[in-house]
Amino acid sequence: AQKVTQAQTEISVVEKEDVTLDCVYETRDTTYYLFWYKQPPSGELVFLIRRNSFDEQNEISGRYSWNFQKSTSSFNFTITASQVVDSAVYFCALSDRDNAGNNRKLIWGLGTSLAVNP
Amino acid sequence: DTAVSQTPKYLVTQMGNDKSIKCEQNLGHDTMYWYKQDSKKFLKIMFSYNNKELIINETVPNRFSPKSPDKAHLNLHINSLELGDSAVYFCASSQDPKETQYFGPGTRLLVL
Repeated sequence: AQKVTQAQTEISVVEKEDVTLDCVYETRDTTYYLFWYKQPPSGELVFLIRRNSFDEQNEISGRYSWNFQKSTSSFNFTITASQVVDSAVYFCALSDRDNAGNNRKLIWGLGTSLAVNP
Repeated sequence: DTAVSQTPKYLVTQMGNDKSIKCEQNLGHDTMYWYKQDSKKFLKIMFSYNNKELIINETVPNRFSPKSPDKAHLNLHINSLELGDSAVYFCASSQDPKETQYFGPGTRLLVL
């Protein structure tokens, strides 16, 4: 069955530390898509990145970087030199087909709550 | 220029009432969604429409009924509200089901 596991429920770091948020997924599909979203204390869901299963290149965007490894079914997210504004809940999600092989839907992890302290 | 908007942002109501939440997107997307986020932040898809056709209907009580009058709008009507319906309801849209979903600001529903 499709599944997304974010084993870290809560992480607390001090500003300027690097932090990695783990995401492990399960799927039977050969074509799938992976996402990260950020939910700051204000509550909105902000899209960060989308990756398809054929593109294993790592991605860097400013202080954010993502490491996609199909061999370990992981799509980890690293924040370098964390800042207080990075404090949020971060969700990893998998776009996968349903059991009948038809419609796609997002399977969400439970989220990792990151607190960056000054 | 809000991409995905929802009204109202807050909804406080009594058990047994009927209420609606409206969603509009101006991104030209074909697919729209309703999600429920509970107090533990767990996100669960409720419904999805593609070109006004219902394509995902998760195990949701019949008291919840979505309506898509056109591709840019997806409304959610809830009958006979219960305490357990208290949650944040998010609307989202995407170009198609495999593309990125963009979310509205959420509607915080509190049933007393």
